[in-house]
Amino acid sequence: ETGVTQTPRHLVMGMTNKKSLKCEQHLGHNAMYWYKQSAKKPLELMFVYSLEERVENNSVPSRFSPECPNSSHLFLHLHTLQPEDSALYLCASSQDGQLNTEAFFGQGTRLTVV
Amino acid sequence: ILNVEQSPQSLHVQEGDSTNFTCSFPSSNFYALHWYRWETAKSPEALFVMTLNGDEKKKGRISATLNTKEGYSYLYIKGSQPEDSATYLCAAYSGGGADGLTFGKGTHLIIQP
Repeated sequence: ETGVTQTPRHLVMGMTNKKSLKCEQHLGHNAMYWYKQSAKKPLELMFVYSLEERVENNSVPSRFSPECPNSSHLFLHLHTLQPEDSALYLCASSQDGQLNTEAFFGQGTRLTVV
Repeated sequence: ILNVEQSPQSLHVQEGDSTNFTCSFPSSNFYALHWYRWETAKSPEALFVMTLNGDEKKKGRISATLNTKEGYSYLYIKGSQPEDSATYLCAAYSGGGADGLTFGKGTHLIIQP
């Protein structure tokens, strides 16, 4: 147990569906992250939240919409996804956004878009 | 965005043997270097975070070194055990708040009994 919990662990959704991924940490961390891992690619950063403020990441399509209602919770809202969005989505948290200390990861949500 | 390279991509090692693998990163805009161990169906777990040139860190049979001037880090495993089988991820942080960690593709280590 790393202290970062992600739900659901697995998700299958159609291209017209709307779903949300949830991440929760009670480590007292001030920064939270969404990463994506596609097959044979490294973990790719999607979004960074520091002190509940989002740091813009322009390379992520708008069909992915993050939300950070408080420092302990992070969501990734999904709508009209494409089959190529099928991947493992990992949430992480760290003490602050400076990353001179370790990040703690959840176990991920395995997403399949059909 | 940094470019982080890891080698080899995969590695088979006999139980009891020692091994090492490499992470390279741009030496400019460097702030911190992280190593994570990722077992199948589990979360990536931090091994080391290093920031200073010449840093050496050790945890049990695993150790790591950092050379920020030439842009590389080595991870060493002494006397490999089957439970060391995992993917070892290296990640660099450049210090920009928007950047997060930039990961390499990882080294997939298999320890053969």
